[in-house]
Amino acid sequence: EPEVTQTPSHQVTQMGQEVILRCVPISNHLYFYWYRQILGQKVEFLVSFYNNEISEKSEIFDDQFSVERPDGSNFTLKIRSTKLEDSAMYFCASRTGIFSGNTIYFGEGSWLTVV
Amino acid sequence: GQNIDQPTEMTATEGAIVQINCTYQTSGFNGLFWYQQHAGEAPTFLSYNVLDGLEEKGRFSSFLSRSKGYSYLLLKELQMKDSASYLCAVRGGSYNTDKLIFGTGTRLQVFP
Repeated sequence: EPEVTQTPSHQVTQMGQEVILRCVPISNHLYFYWYRQILGQKVEFLVSFYNNEISEKSEIFDDQFSVERPDGSNFTLKIRSTKLEDSAMYFCASRTGIFSGNTIYFGEGSWLTVV
Repeated sequence: GQNIDQPTEMTATEGAIVQINCTYQTSGFNGLFWYQQHAGEAPTFLSYNVLDGLEEKGRFSSFLSRSKGYSYLLLKELQMKDSASYLCAVRGGSYNTDKLIFGTGTRLQVFP
């Protein structure tokens, strides 16, 4: 079964450093997302991306965050200057665009630890 | 505001049936999803409801009542591997939103 793949699975970075999390969505999917989950808390929406532009973003997704689809397969999340509170599991997700009810598939996640 | 409520924890016995409830209050509604999440892993899709009624898929069923802002996930013939968190998520918020709003999840422990 096709799946969303993410790299790295785990990254430790120093506060203030830039981090890029990478995702390869399922190949025929058109909508892409980033969610995050701080340890012990709920999954939170960050951003959705369609047709090469951001379609929606949350309050969490401030100027320190950016997303990009640099080629036909990768979808990246960049955090410019990481803060301690950015430590979380970051999930990439995708879905097809045919019906609004299409399942959103999640990747295995990238665990980011900011020290 | 947006609010999704689920019980924090539940326990059940192997072979039994368990029902996990979810109530929601959102400014819009475009469907409700149930996901299973094992610790440290990604949410895995279980079910989707957009119309009132029951959706059955093997050992799992999900029910929706839009007028009551209520859903439940029913797990039958429980197995040890069903021990996980179960996340209720609503797609909603406004007419053209696509994001999922998650509840805090219900941690289910299945005992032999």
